Amino acid sequence: GENVEQHPSTLSVQEGDSAVIKCTYSDSASNYFPWYKQELGKGPQLIIDIRSNVGEKKDQRIAVTLNKTAKHFSLHITETQPEDSAVYFCATSDRGSTLGRLYFGRGTQLTVWP
Amino acid sequence: KAGVTQTPRYLIKTRGQQVTLSCSPISGHRSVSWYQQTPGQGLQFLFEYFSETQRNKGNFPGRFSGRQFSNSRSEMNVSTLELGDSALYLCASKNNMNTEAFFGQGTRLTVV
Repeated sequence: GENVEQHPSTLSVQEGDSAVIKCTYSDSASNYFPWYKQELGKGPQLIIDIRSNVGEKKDQRIAVTLNKTAKHFSLHITETQPEDSAVYFCATSDRGSTLGRLYFGRGTQLTVWP
Repeated sequence: KAGVTQTPRYLIKTRGQQVTLSCSPISGHRSVSWYQQTPGQGLQFLFEYFSETQRNKGNFPGRFSGRQFSNSRSEMNVSTLELGDSALYLCASKNNMNTEAFFGQGTRLTVV
């Protein structure tokens, strides 16, 4: 099955700095790559996703890049704010089949200091 | 539009008991998936239902089961609870098999 590795496990940045979280995956059939943000006591919230036919996608301060050849994708958060503090999960899925399960990384605890 | 609703939010059960958790997906969504989240194992897929049929199952023992009703609401059941079943159980809904998954807030199950 798919193996998703996520780094770093913890990340501390100063408010206004950028944060980058990286993930690698093993299954070349994976073609959908969402990122989730989970705040304490809440379920994961989808913040951005990318399909395999796209190399980069941006939504305001958040961007995701994908390198299918190297099987890695990254989340970039610019101008970080204290409310960005949360656990971030990357995930993969083979959306080309009828199976819709997500394979998750182990998460990155992001702390943004004011 | 209301989000994914999971009930109850918290549960405390004793070893050996069974438990049923409920999930109401976003209106119009027909796919419901269940995930278990623990500090040790992270987020692990349990099963997915679409149109009342189980379409995919993760690597969990048969004590974990689920079902989906005609209104797309889903329940999962865990029988003969073990201490290791203590976890946050998350439900995600999609409007078909191949679109974005939206999660509920989860049910925190504690087995004592």
